[in-house]
Amino acid sequence: AQKITQTQPGMFVQEKEAVTLDCTYDTSDPSYGLFWYKQPSSGEMIFLIYQGSYDQQNATEGRYSLNFQKARKSANLVISASQLGDSAMYFCAMRGNTQGGSEKLVFGKGTKLTVNP
Amino acid sequence: NAGVTQTPKFQVLKTGQSMTLQCAQDMNHEYMSWYRQDPGMGLRLIHYSVGAGITDQGEVPNGYNVSRSTTEDFPLRLLSAAPSQTSVYFCASRPGLAGADTQYFGPGTRLTVL
Repeated sequence: AQKITQTQPGMFVQEKEAVTLDCTYDTSDPSYGLFWYKQPSSGEMIFLIYQGSYDQQNATEGRYSLNFQKARKSANLVISASQLGDSAMYFCAMRGNTQGGSEKLVFGKGTKLTVNP
Repeated sequence: NAGVTQTPKFQVLKTGQSMTLQCAQDMNHEYMSWYRQDPGMGLRLIHYSVGAGITDQGEVPNGYNVSRSTTEDFPLRLLSAAPSQTSVYFCASRPGLAGADTQYFGPGTRLTVL
């Protein structure tokens, strides 16, 4: 079974500083994908970044980068130059499999990020 | 493109009532799914579909039915609502089994069952 662990229920960062949100995962599948989603207070789920298990380089998307350490089974999200609009819940997720053999996303419990002015 | 749309945004039901949550996507995505999000938890998969006419159960399927008669639409039916089904429901889609991995989510439906 696949599992995602986010150990930081809440994080605080000053505006313009960088912040790292932790994510560790557990899977026995050799091929998998890791995702980060942002959920602002308005409730929608916004895709941020994706890392495939065979990707050689860490994924980057603008101010977001994914620090992928395969041996440690970690996929931390780094947000550079934090903005007030970054305040939200952040979910790490992994592409896993249902008992029927099809795919699903397995989510962590999330980290609430607060950016202070 | 409107992306993934869901209706209604909010709904209050009494125990035992039935209703259908609507989900539609205009991106011609093969794969669609329904998740529920409960306080303090991430999303959990209810049902999913890999194409028109094909559906299967996810992690928490009890109390929910789905059908997929067209590529665009994937409604979720609650046959007899229970307080335990109070949650936020998200519909998601992605291009296909061989396509990009990213799932795109709708805005969610907040359901309260009294």
